[in-house]
Amino acid sequence: QQPVQSPQAVILREGEDAVINCSSSKALYSVHWYRQKHGEAPVFLMILLKGGEQKGHEKISASFNEKKQQSSLYLTASQLSYSGTYFCGTVRLNDMRFGAGTRLTVKP
Amino acid sequence: NAGVTQTPKFQVLKTGQSMTLQCAQDMNHNSMYWYRQDPGMGLRLIYYSASEGTTDKGEVPNGYNVSRLNKREFSLRLESAAPSQTSVYFCASSDRLDSYEQYFGPGTRLTVT
Repeated sequence: QQPVQSPQAVILREGEDAVINCSSSKALYSVHWYRQKHGEAPVFLMILLKGGEQKGHEKISASFNEKKQQSSLYLTASQLSYSGTYFCGTVRLNDMRFGAGTRLTVKP
Repeated sequence: NAGVTQTPKFQVLKTGQSMTLQCAQDMNHNSMYWYRQDPGMGLRLIYYSASEGTTDKGEVPNGYNVSRLNKREFSLRLESAAPSQTSVYFCASSDRLDSYEQYFGPGTRLTVT
């Protein structure tokens, strides 16, 4: 089953913060976050592993609640370049599923 | 380094025709993947290859076959294209499965009429 992302879309002004959520109905091994700009390939942002390890970019933060099978991506002091669609991918037993995406628009 | 390359970038097929999408990576990654992306939906895994010589089905494998030709190359074949296979196809690679970031190719936009 695909993970569920919320919200589906969000519009921000430069400098504002946003939180994107990702939840799964099944126990997870890891959660991946990617950003995709229109017409381009997805680009890696972060991986959160069971046990608390994180791999990713310094300016991006995220959390992973293993008990609730939920992850959240925190975007602070948003910039115009943050605009795009954010996907979470959940991994269990070599099975990777992506959510439908959250479209983020940052306006000047 | 080119990263992950895919050919062709665009393709139009008629129902019943066959074609092979090519993917190559120059990062010495062990694992490779094929996804499809449809409007309003996330990426769906078609097939993956954990390492050279192995391939496994993903979420939506029906109508597709794959070949891991060597460590660098992973191809996706449509034997008899159907309109439902109209999509954007992405190839990706990673050092290993699961806990390693995936690097995506630029995509192939396929239309089946």
